[in-house]
Amino acid sequence: DIQMTQSPSSLSAYVGDRVTITCRASQGISNNLAWFQQKPGKAPKCLIYTASSLQTGVPSKFSGSGSGTDFILTINSLQPEDSATYYCQQYNSYPLTFGGGTKVEIK
Amino acid sequence: EVQLLESGGNLVQPGGSLRLSCAASGFTFSSYAINWVRQAPGKGLEWVSTFSARAANTYYAESVKGRFTLSRDNSQNTVYLQMNNLRAEDTAMYYCARGSNGDYWGQGTLVTVSS
Repeated sequence: DIQMTQSPSSLSAYVGDRVTITCRASQGISNNLAWFQQKPGKAPKCLIYTASSLQTGVPSKFSGSGSGTDFILTINSLQPEDSATYYCQQYNSYPLTFGGGTKVEIK
Repeated sequence: EVQLLESGGNLVQPGGSLRLSCAASGFTFSSYAINWVRQAPGKGLEWVSTFSARAANTYYAESVKGRFTLSRDNSQNTVYLQMNNLRAEDTAMYYCARGSNGDYWGQGTLVTVSS
């Protein structure tokens, strides 16, 4: 199975900051990676697919990069509504696997 | 508009069974894989199972293999997850999501396994 390791597990930043979350796969997954945002009590929402493609309707302040084993989610100009838990997921092979999540809080 | 609607969650005793449904609309259902993903209270996301599109293959997490079974009715745009021999550790919110990359998700249905 491919293990997905996210870091950090939590972070706190100011409004307007740029935030980066990393996700590392235990083996190469090409660009078969998605990023999700989940707010409390809500279903996850896809932000990014194929590592860097922005899902329809998602603001361009979110961006993804990487290929192979190392990936980054960047959130520009952090706003209070960005407070959530973010997950990466590989879909290169079964079983599909998720990272452990990164909880983003606003200072 | 793409929509996925889960139903069938309930309180069930250990060893019991439930069938979850994922009804889809707003897209060509037969062209997409459908995934089930669960989230135990206060925990992260865990992939459970996938019914692929045209090849009609099914995939299961080791934790549910032999107990859960997927089926798909393309005429009803619905995927079913039959869950047997339920355990306390199956307690979770169950979501269905479209495609391998999970580009759209339903709102979830809650399964509680407890005596």
